[in-house]
Amino acid sequence: DAGVTQSPTHLIKTRGQQVTLRCSPKSGHDTVSWYQQALGQGPQFIFQYYEEEERQRGNFPDRFSGHQFPNYSSELNVNALLLGDSALYLCASSYLRGVQPQHFGDGTRLSIL
Amino acid sequence: DAKTTQPPSMDCAEGRAANLPCNHSTISGNEYVYWYRQIHSQGPQYIIHGLKNNETNEMASLIITEDRKSSTLILPHATLRDTAVYYCIVTGNTPLVFGKGTRLSVIA
Repeated sequence: DAGVTQSPTHLIKTRGQQVTLRCSPKSGHDTVSWYQQALGQGPQFIFQYYEEEERQRGNFPDRFSGHQFPNYSSELNVNALLLGDSALYLCASSYLRGVQPQHFGDGTRLSIL
Repeated sequence: DAKTTQPPSMDCAEGRAANLPCNHSTISGNEYVYWYRQIHSQGPQYIIHGLKNNETNEMASLIITEDRKSSTLILPHATLRDTAVYYCIVTGNTPLVFGKGTRLSVIA
């Protein structure tokens, strides 16, 4: 049973560019959440998708956007990249109903030059 | 802000039990206590969660005080592979809010 998979594992971009990160949830999960983890900090919630719609959003600018597909996979898009966007981007999946833990992928390490 | 308080670091001898404390004095009646850990360069790994009863699984035990204002995660026989940052998180059906966690070092 595959867990949460993310691609790519590493990515280097320059300021002003745009990036798309991808996530496949754990089998049976219908909800995907994205987190940003800066070096030395705990992960911070960006947003959550359920039934192809953004359900909740953290304190991130609208340069950060996402999408969920009918097969529950998800993308995170970041426009107009800033140096401060350098971080580990984590995807977590869960089953919305009931009390279910989120399961995380190993993330995409994004470096902005 | 995180609703939990954890010591920044702890050491544990290999083979001994590791007891990681967490204070969550403002926990609400419908909120659960979750524990995750993060090994360097990996995503957070779910360990265990509970509401008010003690819980045990193949990885750890979770002891929650009767007033639910604090809890302890117990790794019964710590190994070097348990060296990680451990996060205690209180949540209902809301996004996870991570604090700084406890950096556990298991020493041979």
